[in-house]
Amino acid sequence: KQEVTQIPAALSVPEGENLVLNCSFTDSAIYNLQWFRQDPGKGLTSLLLIQSSQREQTSGRLNASLDKSSGRSTLYIAASQPGDSATYLCAVRRNTGKLIFGQGTTLQVKP
Amino acid sequence: EAGVAQSPRYKIIEKRQSVAFWCNPISGHATLYWYQQILGQGPKLLIQFQNNGVVDDSQLPKDRFSAERLKGVDSTLKIQPAKLEDSAVYLCASSRGQGSEKLFFGSGTQLSVL
Repeated sequence: KQEVTQIPAALSVPEGENLVLNCSFTDSAIYNLQWFRQDPGKGLTSLLLIQSSQREQTSGRLNASLDKSSGRSTLYIAASQPGDSATYLCAVRRNTGKLIFGQGTTLQVKP
Repeated sequence: EAGVAQSPRYKIIEKRQSVAFWCNPISGHATLYWYQQILGQGPKLLIQFQNNGVVDDSQLPKDRFSAERLKGVDSTLKIQPAKLEDSAVYLCASSRGQGSEKLFFGSGTQLSVL
């Protein structure tokens, strides 16, 4: 059974700091991994998608890496801004097509 | 391009009542998903449609939950009767296919069962 864990559950950093969010999964037989952002009371917005054959994806100040063998992914946010404050969720897609989410990391960036 | 539309935005009902949620996916998206997100947790898949067929409903409590996507476009999710533990945000998402594509989410329906 695939389980997805995100640590830490919450994180508070001063503006400008670089930070790393962690995601781990128990079954390495995944199709891809996706990072989402969720603002309070809103739906999820896809940030980055990494195929199982890829090692990383970058978009602006965001960089996501994937290590299938160790069952880990990280989301790196450079030069954090107050507008980055949100909950970040990772989700792994199994070969069956099912997407399984972690519980999320709630980030607060203080001005 | 219009996003995934969901209604209502909020719903408050008493336990044992019935409720229905509606979702219109992005045009051309064949795959539609309903997720349940309880406060403080990640979304949990309830049901996945490919066009108008069910791909996965293994976590749908079928004694009280039902969903349909009759014409392969919009979809409804119904709870009858509702329980207190059904209080959650119900998220609808769509994607072009069920493979490697990104998922696009609606804003969700926040359900409170009193």
